[in-house]
Amino acid sequence: SQQGEEDPQALSIQEGENATMNCSYKTSINNLQWYRQNSGRGLVHLILIRSNEREKHSGRLRVTLDTSKKSSSLLITASRAADTASYFCATVETGANNLFFGTGTRLTVIP
Amino acid sequence: KAGVTQTPRYLIKTRGQQVTLSCSPISGHRSVSWYQQTPGQGLQFLFEYFSETQRNKGNFPGRFSGRQFSNSRSEMNVSTLELGDSALYLCASSLGDRLPYEQYFGPGTRLTVT
Repeated sequence: SQQGEEDPQALSIQEGENATMNCSYKTSINNLQWYRQNSGRGLVHLILIRSNEREKHSGRLRVTLDTSKKSSSLLITASRAADTASYFCATVETGANNLFFGTGTRLTVIP
Repeated sequence: KAGVTQTPRYLIKTRGQQVTLSCSPISGHRSVSWYQQTPGQGLQFLFEYFSETQRNKGNFPGRFSGRQFSNSRSEMNVSTLELGDSALYLCASSLGDRLPYEQYFGPGTRLTVT
């Protein structure tokens, strides 16, 4: 089963704009991770945020986590055409030892 | 370190046949997870092996099985293939014995069932 639901399902923006995608989950978690998948390829780990953290940055990525609302958001600033991909959130439930992936957001960045 | 490798990359099979896919994890990683990805169902968890034992299992029929060898390499098998088994099969490895269970994915095997 999939733990997370992502929204929107698809997002189309112009190069240079910011892209925000959201992830909601259902249970208590230890950490939440974001992955990117280029078309028909494997997923690549982007960033991880632990349950006791509220915000994290990595380059042009900013992730926030609100455990009271069981939600997270991924912000990509100054988007580039190369950011076109599907983005998935994944959670590790408290006490569990594997990841549950969300449904993904398909991001298209128009040059 | 070398990344996760999957073989074969592409496969065409006929309904009713069986297929075996292979995954070699990153050196030192003891956990291998398998996922099925289709346009309709998205990314679905099949099972995870850790130190040669199936530790977690998704909601797939018994036609889907797997195993892990002592060198952590893993295989998954699908018997009596159906058209709906056409998908991208991804494997991912991780250390598996400690948080945060970050996973490293292979490029996938594209299976087409005709």
